[in-house]
Amino acid sequence: EAGVAQSPRYKIIEKRQSVAFWCNPISGHATLYWYQQILGQGPKLLIQFQNNGVVDDSQLPKDRFSAERLKGVDSTLKIQPAKLEDSAVYLCASSPPGLVADTQYFGPGTRLTVL
Amino acid sequence: AQSVSQHNHHVILSEAASLELGCNYSYGGTVNLFWYVQYPGQHLQLLLKYFSGDPLVKGIKGFEAEFIKSKFSFNLRKPSVQWSDTAEYFCAVNGVRGSTLGRLYFGRGTQLTVWP
Repeated sequence: EAGVAQSPRYKIIEKRQSVAFWCNPISGHATLYWYQQILGQGPKLLIQFQNNGVVDDSQLPKDRFSAERLKGVDSTLKIQPAKLEDSAVYLCASSPPGLVADTQYFGPGTRLTVL
Repeated sequence: AQSVSQHNHHVILSEAASLELGCNYSYGGTVNLFWYVQYPGQHLQLLLKYFSGDPLVKGIKGFEAEFIKSKFSFNLRKPSVQWSDTAEYFCAVNGVRGSTLGRLYFGRGTQLTVWP
């Protein structure tokens, strides 16, 4: 079974530029999550989708971050404009249908460096 | 808001030593508890989880964890570590009802280094 795919794996940009990350969850997984992991900290949830609807985006900085999952499968997370403090690893995870609070399966992450 | 505390930021052990990593959470409701592990160069993967039932849960690679509800704790243990256990370990909790449904809260992680 293929795992959660993410691209790119690494990205370096200058502050005030924009960047986008892509995630393809495990086939059949209805729930998709985006996390931000700053160095030395645990992952923090940014947004959670159930199919193509947003379930929880309370911790997403909506003035600069946006995310979509138009067809209920893959998803993109965008930052515009980026700030220095956005340097982090952005993780995508998915979980199977059924139990909402079930195990989440993580992708390899995208390491973003903002200069 | 929920929070998860991992007491040890970096643990260094020799092979065959016993391991216990502490994890405490702050939430009074029903929770699911997880330990995730991230080996060097790899992605986060599930080590073990507790949803209900026997509070002593066994995971992969000889790891186990005990849920003590009265102490809000979910400590990870292994009787004898191996060099291959070198990794970062994350404790996580999510609520099963209400506004916290499905949202995973992670601790800051414990880096385990095992010397051969």
